[in-house]
Order: sequence, then C-alpha cells, then structure tokens
Amino acid sequence: NAGVTQTPKFRILKIGQSMTLQCTQDMNHNYMYWYRQDPGMGLKLIYYSVGAGITDKGEVPNGYNVSRSTTEDFPLRLELAAPSQTSVYFCASRSWGEEQYFGPGTRLTVT
Amino acid sequence: GQQVMQIPQYQHVQEGEDFTTYCNSSTTLSNIQWYKQRPGGHPVFLIQLVKSGEVKKQKRLTFQFGEAKKNSSLHITATQTTDVGTYFCAGLNNAGNMLTFGGGTRLMVKP
Repeated sequence: NAGVTQTPKFRILKIGQSMTLQCTQDMNHNYMYWYRQDPGMGLKLIYYSVGAGITDKGEVPNGYNVSRSTTEDFPLRLELAAPSQTSVYFCASRSWGEEQYFGPGTRLTVT
Repeated sequence: GQQVMQIPQYQHVQEGEDFTTYCNSSTTLSNIQWYKQRPGGHPVFLIQLVKSGEVKKQKRLTFQFGEAKKNSSLHITATQTTDVGTYFCAGLNNAGNMLTFGGGTRLMVKP
C-alpha cells in the first residue's frame, strides 16, 4: 500500500491564483481530512469527509473548497490565493476507531 | 466546540533527563491518540487510549488517560536525541468523526 499520497510536494503561487492540492489514499478509509500547519504551530482542520459525497467544514474553511466523489480521492481547492494561505497542508485518512494516517504534506507559498 | 490544550509548548532537556507533556480537553473524549512529528516530517501515530484510567507503555514512553477521560499525559524516560520532535495529542469526539489536535509540545534534546 502507498498509504496517503499528496501532490504536489511544493508549490509557489502568486496572489489571486488558484490551485488544487491532490490527496489519494489506497486503504479504503471512509474518513479523510485536510489540515494546515503554519510554522511552529499545531494542526488546524480545514475540511473533512466521512464518506464519498459527504463533506463538512472544519475550524478554518474560508478560502478553500473540497469534493469527495470517490472513496480514494479528496482534493482541496484554493481559490484566489492569499499570503495568509502560505502553510504546509496535510491530508489524512482513517477508518472508524483507528489511527489517522497522514500524507507527506504540500508546502505552499503565496507571494 | 471541543478544545484540546497541551502544555508545555516547548521543552529543552539534557539527554538522559525525563520529559512529560500534558493534554487537557474541554469535553469528555471518546478516545485520545498521540502522534509524533519529526522536524520537516508529517505526524505519525504513536498510540491510542480508550479506557478511563488506561496506562500503556512503549519502551521508554508511558501514556496515561485520565479517569474522567478529559486529560492525558505522555512521559518519556531517559530521553535520547532520537526523541526530538513535536508530540501532539488528539481527542476523538463522541460522534467519532473528528480528531481535535492539541497545539503540540516541541521537545529538544541536548546531547
């Protein structure tokens, strides 16, 4: 199993540009999550999904959108990028009652 | 909403000294999980505690879950340089769909 994969690993965006961060898991997990982690800080939940077709907002959803058309994929869309969205983005997945598996992260800089 | 607080935020120790990080939730938790994040890496699952008053050990690491299921601790005996990283606790809500992460404790070990 590859686990949780994220692309790209790094990205530099200009203010106002848009992009999609990809996340795929091959463990047939129902639950998937997107977090952002600012330097030296903890993890803040952006959006989560409890299954295909179901998504819900987390703590900091503004400026982001998600979709979950399949069990495997949970892309995160940034519209009109702003410098405040400079961060490391982690995707994670898990099964009911089990631990959470994290992807390697996407390091995003908005200038 | 559920809040999980973690102290201390930082801890510098001499190699061989002990280390403890504490985690407190504003609400009763279904379970609590601990993760370790090495510098530049992603969070990796360490352990899950489910029962009130539960204590689990992993070599030099001892994890406790409080009787009221609102607090937890991680104790490392005789730290080593390989213990360097940030330790996060995460509480699972009663609906079982979301983990709320504490802010993390960053451990630095001087050789």
